[in-house]
Amino acid sequence: GAVVSQHPSRVICKSGTSVKIECRSLDFQATTMFWYRQFPKQSLMLMATSNEGSKATYEQGVEKDKFLINHASLTLSTLTVTSAHPEDSSFYICSAKTGQGARGGYTFGSGTRLTVV
Amino acid sequence: TQLLEQSPQFLSIQEGENLTVYCNSSSVFSSLQWYRQEPGEGPVLLVTVVTGGEVKKLKRLTFQFGDARKDSSLHITAAQTGDTGLYLCAGYLGDRSAGGTSYGKLTFGQGTILTVHP
Repeated sequence: GAVVSQHPSRVICKSGTSVKIECRSLDFQATTMFWYRQFPKQSLMLMATSNEGSKATYEQGVEKDKFLINHASLTLSTLTVTSAHPEDSSFYICSAKTGQGARGGYTFGSGTRLTVV
Repeated sequence: TQLLEQSPQFLSIQEGENLTVYCNSSSVFSSLQWYRQEPGEGPVLLVTVVTGGEVKKLKRLTFQFGDARKDSSLHITAAQTGDTGLYLCAGYLGDRSAGGTSYGKLTFGQGTILTVHP
């Protein structure tokens, strides 16, 4: 089946630094990928939709300059958390739609635990 | 305002008991998906329901899509400790929603944390 590889799985960074998270689709092309944020014991909150070759579409309330998304190829999307602060600490997950229409499935990466100290 | 209302948010039961999780919305979805997520991992798809009134079974799990495609339920029979986890429903509006573009994104419910005690 379709696999989405997300790296790193865990990262600890100092406040004020930037962190890049990679999301790769293995064995399939993903023109669209999605980035989510998840707090402990809560559901996934969509942050942005990443489109290959064009600008990402951000959800309301998500800072574009804070969370930079680049989708330069059909198999790779990256999320960069710029000037990270402790409140950015969270679990970040990417996903890609693997089929067309209503029956199309979604595959999720294994997530990245970001801790800003 | 939450587009998909999922309930209950927490469920703590004994092994062998039955349970039902609900997802309700005022919106009509093209499809609805159910996921299970373990701590520190991404969600894993359990089922996709597409047709109004559709019922799908996955071993002890029964999924139902409402006739109007606005609601769905997940029923677990004779729960086991291995069923413990976060259950998420997610609605798919389509690749192009009315009046704009949804780019095929999923809208998630609040999630249900299920704990099955031995």
